[in-house]
Amino acid sequence: LAKTTQPISMDSYEGQEVNITCSHNNIATNDYITWYQQFPSQGPRFIIQGYKTKVTNEVASLFIPADRKSSTLSLPRVSLSDTAVYYCLVGGLTGGGNKLTFGTGTQLKVEL
Amino acid sequence: NAGVMQNPRHLVRRRGQEARLRCSPMKGHSHVYWYRQLPEEGLKFMVYLQKENIIDESGMPKERFSAEFPKEGPSILRIQQVVRGDSAAYFCASSPRKFLAGDSSYNEQFFGPGTRLTVL
Repeated sequence: LAKTTQPISMDSYEGQEVNITCSHNNIATNDYITWYQQFPSQGPRFIIQGYKTKVTNEVASLFIPADRKSSTLSLPRVSLSDTAVYYCLVGGLTGGGNKLTFGTGTQLKVEL
Repeated sequence: NAGVMQNPRHLVRRRGQEARLRCSPMKGHSHVYWYRQLPEEGLKFMVYLQKENIIDESGMPKERFSAEFPKEGPSILRIQQVVRGDSAAYFCASSPRKFLAGDSSYNEQFFGPGTRLTVL
């Protein structure tokens, strides 16, 4: 399973755009890149997933360069409620299932 | 459509007792995953089950831990003879199906709120 590296923490202010970059040098051909968000005392929640180039949904964008060795989660105009831990995961669809491998994540703190 | 349900939300056990954690997947989901999260750490995969089958238990400790997902009823994670090191948050996730290579659908798992196990 591909190992991911992301910053331990980031600070931001309300209304700013936040970009969290994740490195995954050993990503495999079949691996997707997925981001989850976790609030204290809650289970992780799916944010976005992509394979290459750019993916956008109603809450975030995901930028993936051509070599796929990194990815950047972009949160536009963050608010206090975006304070959470963000996990970058890479995983394939082959083999015995769909298990997710979480790293330590990035603790995002949003202030006024 | 109710989300993934876990109970109890908090469980306190003394060393040597048994802990039973229950997970009801989302309606229509037949795939269940269990993860464990220690304080200040990310989630660690434990086991992946389908109805009546264990598909991948590569993350399960070899002793004292077992899991099942019967044809009827919730999935159960059972920890026998608990020790203090078992204190953690245990999360269950479900998905509607196994995703095959080349599947363009989102690879999403839906997580429950977790059970926080404290071993005294």
